Amino acid sequence: GAGVSQSPRYKVAKRGQDVALRCDPISGHVSLFWYQQALGQGPEFLTYFQNEAQLDKSGLPSDRFFAERPEGSVSTLKIQRTQQEDSAVYLCASSLDLAGYQETQYFGPGTRLLVL
Amino acid sequence: AQRVTQPEKLLSVFKGAPVELKCNYSYSGSPELFWYVQYSRQRLQLLLRHISRESIKGFTADLNKGETSFHLKKPFAQEEDSAMYYCAPSFRDGNNRLAFGKGNQVVVIP
Repeated sequence: GAGVSQSPRYKVAKRGQDVALRCDPISGHVSLFWYQQALGQGPEFLTYFQNEAQLDKSGLPSDRFFAERPEGSVSTLKIQRTQQEDSAVYLCASSLDLAGYQETQYFGPGTRLLVL
Repeated sequence: AQRVTQPEKLLSVFKGAPVELKCNYSYSGSPELFWYVQYSRQRLQLLLRHISRESIKGFTADLNKGETSFHLKKPFAQEEDSAMYYCAPSFRDGNNRLAFGKGNQVVVIP
């Protein structure tokens, strides 16, 4: 079946520009995560949704970062007034998480953001 | 603070030689433990998880609670094992998020 998809795959932005990154999770998956992966590093947690509720946004690096999942399916990560340090791969993952059991997280291909 | 350490950034091994990737974590509780792998030009995917106790592609990982380690091992490396490997505990702090290490780049030399 279809896996997690993300768009765009690549995004070049000028410093100060706003960007929006989209994630389509696997259908029926309750949990959705956003991670940021800088060059040469492992992914780092940004935020977590359970259905439409954003239960944890402790990893968002600044108030320029905003995420939503209004209908409990597709999610958008928005970065306002992008800075060069925002350049990274942004990964989305989803999991089934029935009854609180920790299911495997399935990752999308990522969006590679380059801020010039 | 929760921390995950994968000490060797790059590991080169010959085909048929054993592979061991070290992972140590610091956490006061009992995390769920995962290894994820990323092959060239592919997305990050689960390799194995502690709770299932399965051997995937010949890899196993043993949890040592005393040493807080979850090292990944394979007795005989194959060329297709060349990839980036991430140790990723989940610290059960309310949202099942994964805390990735910096990763190990494994290169299997034919």
